[in-house]
Amino acid sequence: DTAVSQTPKYLVTQMGNDKSIKCEQNLGHDTMYWYKQDSKKFLKIMFSYNNKELIINETVPNRFSPKSPDKAHLNLHINSLELGDSAVYFCASSQDTGAKGYTFGSGTRLTVV
Amino acid sequence: GEDVEQSLFLSVREGDSSVINCTYTDSSSTYLYWYKQEPGAGLQLLTYIFSNMDMKQDQRLTVLLNKKDKHLSLRIADTQTGDSAIYFCAERPAGFQKLVFGTGTRLLVSP
Repeated sequence: DTAVSQTPKYLVTQMGNDKSIKCEQNLGHDTMYWYKQDSKKFLKIMFSYNNKELIINETVPNRFSPKSPDKAHLNLHINSLELGDSAVYFCASSQDTGAKGYTFGSGTRLTVV
Repeated sequence: GEDVEQSLFLSVREGDSSVINCTYTDSSSTYLYWYKQEPGAGLQLLTYIFSNMDMKQDQRLTVLLNKKDKHLSLRIADTQTGDSAIYFCAERPAGFQKLVFGTGTRLLVSP
């Protein structure tokens, strides 16, 4: 009965590889997000999708491509991984404008070596 | 601009009250939030406050908002060792469907 689930939980990969992180929510929310948390725990939004449409793209390199096949899923594909991409990536969802807050997944720790 | 500041660390003894402070810069923010992050886990929404309120209480949690000074605080009464975590405040700028998070405050509760 997990509300927002991400897979995988851990991902270790070499520089230059392409990888994907999947996210699914079973809350019936219509907006989903990707956030990046760096080693200093700073959280910054990357993307926001509402009903499968991109509404926020926060100056993220175009090596990062989100894909939303339906409003319950938002996947993140990363091409040509770099060392600086190492971080924890969080998926989140909200109902409508998200005024009552977001529900977060447990995160995917990506390590690029 | 978007800039949310918090002090980095707070250490308290079990049973004491903890007060975590936050300052934000976007006066258009309509909602402000407190999230908790335990090690290796995601962010858990603790509470939120609408900008036309100045206080909200929820069991051991009290949120105070000073909109004039753009200052938000979270008070945890009777702090327990299980409250040890990182606490993030966040603002939701008007017209934007995103949360802008603070730098996080690491709370350490000692027995």
